[in-house]
Amino acid sequence: QVQLQESGPGLVKPSETLSLTCTVSGGSINNYHWSWIRQPPGAGLEYIGYIYYSGSTNYNPSLKSRVTISVDTSKNHFSLKLSFVTAADTAVYYCARLNWNDYRGLDYWGQGTLVTVSS
Amino acid sequence: DIQMTQSASSVSASVGDRVTITCRASLGISSWLAWYQQKPGKAPKLLIYVASRLQSGVSSRFSGSGSGTDFTLTISSLQPEDFATYYCQQANSFPLTFGGGTKVEIK
Repeated sequence: QVQLQESGPGLVKPSETLSLTCTVSGGSINNYHWSWIRQPPGAGLEYIGYIYYSGSTNYNPSLKSRVTISVDTSKNHFSLKLSFVTAADTAVYYCARLNWNDYRGLDYWGQGTLVTVSS
Repeated sequence: DIQMTQSASSVSASVGDRVTITCRASLGISSWLAWYQQKPGKAPKLLIYVASRLQSGVSSRFSGSGSGTDFTLTISSLQPEDFATYYCQQANSFPLTFGGGTKVEIK
């Protein structure tokens, strides 16, 4: 059973960089797309971007100038960096597997981690 | 970006009711639509993919239909564990986009 676990600071100061890592267990990171999704408190879901195991990426244009997603296949994890954060970036951040080749669904999710942007 | 609209932000229903949730895409997305269930404090769970295919392990009381721009998620007989928020998501093109969610509440 594939499991994902997000890790990283829960509090980030405005204008700084949010950094999160998602560790994949129970399966290989190879041959799949891996994504980040966020959900502001009380609001809906927003796609941030994905990385393919080979390193190719896709980012939401609304965040593209501030987002970097990277992958380390040797550690079976992938990471998110979001720069110049503001209070509007406060959200629960989820990592998820995007099963694009089979059926284009987000089939495994981490439990989510709340990141608060505040001084 | 393709906009996804769930016209009902909430639906009130009783155990045993048949519940229908609708989702509309701003452009045709063929059958590239998924449905998710989210309970408070939990990650979303994939229920349906490619508009009508049931994800492994998901109860058969959930079904999906539609193509093009109009889609429906149906719960045939609502159970206590089905009270949650449901999101549609288009997978036709990037960026992936989600509907605003429909909360199924106890009547």
